[in-house]
Amino acid sequence: KAGVTQTPRYLIKTRGQQVTLSCSPISGHRSVSWYQQTPGQGLQFLFEYFSETQRNKGNFPGRFSGRQFSNSRSEMNVSTLELGDSALYLCASSLAGTSGAYEQYFGPGTRLTVT
Amino acid sequence: AQSVTQLGSHVSVSEGALVLLRCNYSSSVPPYLFWYVQYPNQGLQLLLKYTSAATLVKGINGFEAEFKKSETSFHLTKPSAHMSDAAEYFCAVSDQGGGSYIPTFGRGTSLIVHP
Repeated sequence: KAGVTQTPRYLIKTRGQQVTLSCSPISGHRSVSWYQQTPGQGLQFLFEYFSETQRNKGNFPGRFSGRQFSNSRSEMNVSTLELGDSALYLCASSLAGTSGAYEQYFGPGTRLTVT
Repeated sequence: AQSVTQLGSHVSVSEGALVLLRCNYSSSVPPYLFWYVQYPNQGLQLLLKYTSAATLVKGINGFEAEFKKSETSFHLTKPSAHMSDAAEYFCAVSDQGGGSYIPTFGRGTSLIVHP
């Protein structure tokens, strides 16, 4: 079974631009979560989508948004990029309904650098 | 809300020595608990999880963890470290019984293995 894939793997953007990251979950997984990972803040939860609906949202500004398509693929968008948005963005998929017992399967991440 | 504390941002051991990575959670109700490993330039990979069955959980690559309710701990151990174990390790917790199923991650512990 193919794992979680994320594209692109690396991205360099300029302040003020916007960016879209893509994630394809494991086949059959309907839950997709996004995380921001930085050395200073660790892993921070952005949002989770299930069946094309955002079910949970972390504490990030509205510049961060996402969506999920009918095939469970997900995208996240960051508008008006700031230097502090430089991070590794991780996507994770899960079989989860609403049970915390299900583990998450992570993609390799997209390394975003904002200059 | 759940919180998880990983004691020690860095742990250094010699090859062949015991590995002990500490994780404590804050919850009055035993949660689901996970350990993930992250190798450089990769996403997180599940090592093992506790979901209220046996308190001693065996995972991949020779790792195991013991759930201790009285100490609210879920420490990760491996009897003999290999050079290939050098990585970042994350403890994560999610709620049982209707609480938040989105996992909360610790800040991570970097395991350094010396030859």
